Amino acid sequence: DQQVKQNSPSLSVQEGRISILNCDYTNSMFDYFLWYKKYPAEGPTFLISISSIKDKNEDGRFTVFLNKSAKHLSLHIVPSQPGDSAVYFCAASGFGNEKLTFGTGTRLTIIP
Amino acid sequence: NAGVTQTPKFQVLKTGQSMTLQCAQDMNHEYMSWYRQDPGMGLRLIHYSVGAGITDQGEVPNGYNVSRSTTEDFPLRLLSAAPSQTSVYFCASSYWDRGRRSYGYTFGSGTRLTVV
Repeated sequence: DQQVKQNSPSLSVQEGRISILNCDYTNSMFDYFLWYKKYPAEGPTFLISISSIKDKNEDGRFTVFLNKSAKHLSLHIVPSQPGDSAVYFCAASGFGNEKLTFGTGTRLTIIP
Repeated sequence: NAGVTQTPKFQVLKTGQSMTLQCAQDMNHEYMSWYRQDPGMGLRLIHYSVGAGITDQGEVPNGYNVSRSTTEDFPLRLLSAAPSQTSVYFCASSYWDRGRRSYGYTFGSGTRLTVV
């Protein structure tokens, strides 16, 4: 039972355009949502997060939107750069819960 | 500050062999965990520990043992390796981030294990 789903295994975007990565979840107890970026042969690194009390969080070129009623979140990258090419994982946790539940990942390729 | 250090980076095992994947952190984090990453499956939690002497099972614990004798170290033991355990293994440590009201994670660079 996949509680966090990323339905697009891959995404290609032209450099300078917007990249939109999507994530859906089924567990209504999830309270906190995170995005991790992963390069080959490296561990995941934290990118941006959002609490369930917010619907938007912005950090430079990265914005995460949360739609609680739809149990959906998305990561927007504007403008996309070649260094953004990586695998992006969506993750979720309950409040005060140390365990993360990860999605299956989306491989983003930025085309120069 | 090394963060989370995993050794070895690569390992090939024969079916039935045993081995220990090492994980050490120098950030004094209480919480540590092991994940495996498989194609199309994302990262799945194997075992975790909320402090020295305390461990618990995650989503896919079968075939693995852990112990936590110190805050710094959290080794993962494969008792009798099977081809289904071919995967990339990530160790992570985390702390409670009061600002974000969530746990902040640091991952190691991974161990790529092949069981033949």
